[in-house]
Amino acid sequence: DAKTTQPNSMESNEEEPVHLPCNHSTISGTDYIHWYRQLPSQGPEYVIHGLTSNVNNRMASLAIAEDRKSSTLILHRATLRDAAVYYCILRDVYFGNEKLTFGTGTRLTIIP
Amino acid sequence: KAGVTQTPRYLIKTRGQQVTLSCSPISGHRSVSWYQQTPGQGLQFLFEYFSETQRNKGNFPGRFSGRQFSNSRSEMNVSTLELGDSALYLCASSLAVGEETQYFGPGTRLLVL
Repeated sequence: DAKTTQPNSMESNEEEPVHLPCNHSTISGTDYIHWYRQLPSQGPEYVIHGLTSNVNNRMASLAIAEDRKSSTLILHRATLRDAAVYYCILRDVYFGNEKLTFGTGTRLTIIP
Repeated sequence: KAGVTQTPRYLIKTRGQQVTLSCSPISGHRSVSWYQQTPGQGLQFLFEYFSETQRNKGNFPGRFSGRQFSNSRSEMNVSTLELGDSALYLCASSLAVGEETQYFGPGTRLLVL
């Protein structure tokens, strides 16, 4: 499985935008970039995913570099409920690879 | 629509015992995956079932096994428990093969003494 690299931790002030980076230099052409987050005492929760183009949903935006070797998850206005561990995952669904390979993730702390 | 449910939520066992954990996927979902989460190793894939067949398996010893029933509910079993099996066991379901999103349950926290 292609590997992703994320900072271990980040802090952000409440109500400010947060940019969570992820490097995936060995990404293949059929790898989708997925983001999940895990709130304290809960199972992981899907956030967003994309292949090549930038993506937006009600939770976040995903900005993907043109060469696809990196991506950034953007939380537009962080709240205390966004404090979680965020995982950037590459997933090749075309070859029946259903498993998610989690890295260590980024622990996001929101400062009131 | 109800989410993924896992039972029991907490469990305490002793070394050498065996344990069975249960997962009920979201209604209509046919794929169920299991993950183990520990502070040292993070989240690791155990196995995945679709239509009662195991499709993928992670790098875990044979003491870890699972199955899926015709109603898509799944169970995982760990025999001869070791202290290192203490972990949060997470179940995730998705609609079908190739579905982009997996939906996770709250997990079963297993403590082996």
